[in-house]
This record gives sequence, C-alpha cells and structure tokens, in this order.
Amino acid sequence: GQQLNQSPQSMFIQEGEDVSMNCTSSSIFNTWLWYKQDPGEGPVLLIALYKAGELTSNGRLTAQFGITRKDSFLNISASIPSDVGIYFCAGRYTGTASKLTFGTGTRLQVTL
Amino acid sequence: DSGVTQTPKHLITATGQRVTLRCSPRSGDLSVYWYQQSLDQGLQFLIHYYNGEERAKGNILERFSAQQFPDLHSELNLSSLELGDSALYFCASSPRERGSGELFFGEGSRLTVL
Repeated sequence: GQQLNQSPQSMFIQEGEDVSMNCTSSSIFNTWLWYKQDPGEGPVLLIALYKAGELTSNGRLTAQFGITRKDSFLNISASIPSDVGIYFCAGRYTGTASKLTFGTGTRLQVTL
Repeated sequence: DSGVTQTPKHLITATGQRVTLRCSPRSGDLSVYWYQQSLDQGLQFLIHYYNGEERAKGNILERFSAQQFPDLHSELNLSSLELGDSALYFCASSPRERGSGELFFGEGSRLTVL
C-alpha cells in the first residue's frame, strides 16, 4: 500500500538538542498528523494540521503543513529522554474519508 | 490510556490456524479502524467500520474479516494463518464517520505465527 516517506529513518541525539524530521508524499493531503509510538504502546496523536502553511505547536513540538500540501515537518526542541520513540506522520485526503496513510516512521533515540 | 481496549495483548499460534482479535472503542466513539503493523511495512490500514457498517477497506486479505457489533465493539478474524501474518494489530477509534484523522489507538495485539 501507499506510504509516506519519512526522513531520517532513525537518529541518535544528545539530550538538549533540537530535532527535525520530515515527511513527503507524491500525493496532496488535506490533513497532516503526527503521532508518536512508545515501545509496547499504540500511536498517540501529537499534532494535527488542517491548512497548507499552518504552523502549530504543542509544548516543545512544532509541526508545519507544507505549502505544496505534499510535505510536513516536525521539530522537537530541547530533547529529553522521554522523547524516545517512533514518530509517524500521517496524511489524509478528504475524498478518502476513512483511510489515513502513515509514514514509515522516524526512530528517535536520545543519549544522555 | 487512550480508552481503547484490545485483547488479547499477545497471541502465539501455528500456521493454518484461526484467531480472533477483539477491540472495544472509547466510550461514545462510533468508528473503529483496524491497522496492521509489521517491521517492514509500517502501519497499514485494513478496514473501517462506523456504527456497525463497513465503510472502507484497505489492504485486507481475503483470509481476514471483521465486524462491528451493536454494542460497537469490533472483532478482527484472521484465518488460515501464515508466517507473514505475524504482526502487531491495532484498533483505533474516533467519534465520527468522516473524521479529521484524529484516531485513538489501543495498545495492540501482538500475533506470532509459528
């Protein structure tokens, strides 16, 4: 099935560093979402974006809906150990109603 | 705690067998979605039910079937299991039929086929 391309696939960072990851698609979406999955858990919604160009923050997290509607970016500032996990982007086009298309995931590991 | 409950959490079975995974959505949510997560495929959409009716199908094999009952819980049935069916199966719920994509996921059922 179709998937969104996320990069990087994985990253090690030092505690306190800022993190950037992105997601690209060959199709346009009307909604972009970012989820985080902790080990042994289901994905949890972090941020939802509904409009091209939109920039939304949730604490230390900031996400942007790309102008072309084919990409999105997630930034985490001042990373802490609990930021460890897998971050998934997901896109939704209105016409598809039900189906979210998920990205391949970015695995974040933080070193102290 | 998302409010979505999935059972069993872990299941080990043999090829050719049949299993049933169960999901109870958040209180008041009418939509239930099933996703499969395997190491090399990420999260794949399987099927969506709204208030007891099938609304959309994704990459769901013919050996798999699902239903949503009047009390809104859902079951995913996997039959003639193959080694490649080993994966995490997630259920997610949302309040509406055509939602914004904001889904609440359960903790998943990890299926191992030996």
